[in-house]
Amino acid sequence: GENVEQHPSTLSVQEGDSAVIKCTYSDSASNYFPWYKQELGKRPQLIIDIRSNVGEKKDQRIAVTLNKTAKHFSLHITETQPEDSAVYFCAASIVPMLTFGGGTRLMVKP
Amino acid sequence: GAVVSQHPSRVICKSGTSVKIECRSLDFQATTMFWYRQFPKQSLMLMATSNEGSKATYEQGVEKDKFLINHASLTLSTLTVTSAHPEDSSFYICSASAPGGAAYTGELFFGEGSRLTVL
Repeated sequence: GENVEQHPSTLSVQEGDSAVIKCTYSDSASNYFPWYKQELGKRPQLIIDIRSNVGEKKDQRIAVTLNKTAKHFSLHITETQPEDSAVYFCAASIVPMLTFGGGTRLMVKP
Repeated sequence: GAVVSQHPSRVICKSGTSVKIECRSLDFQATTMFWYRQFPKQSLMLMATSNEGSKATYEQGVEKDKFLINHASLTLSTLTVTSAHPEDSSFYICSASAPGGAAYTGELFFGEGSRLTVL
């Protein structure tokens, strides 16, 4: 089955800096790659996603890149703010089955 | 987007008792729902895939006799933790896939989650 690795497990940045989280996946058949933000005790919230026919997608301060050949994808958050502090999960999907990465705890220091 | 509701949000039970968690799709019909378990500071681990009108498909290592899944209608799936023990204490989250067709995005919609504490 699919295996998703996510790095780093924790990330601390200063407010205003950029944050990058990287994921690799194993199954070349995966065709949908969502990113979720989860606050403590709450459900995961989709923040951005990308499909296998697209290399990059941007939504305001958030961008995701996908390299199908290398089977890795990354989340980029620019101009980080304290409210960006949360746990972020990447996932790889052979729709509709999702496999999650291990998560990254992002801490944005004011 | 589509709305998935999960109930109860928190439950505390005694060891040996059974607990039922409900997952409802409020504004769409979900032929497939997924149940995840999340331990503190860990990722979401898929437990089983719930298919309307048929038996659930369990992931390796998940006891089907302990975690009973029923998907009797297109808007409701239930997870029953039978003979619960303290090690079953966890955050259980369901998700559902909206119907297919031209508008199908592949996005999963998550319930609010249910925190189970077994004493």
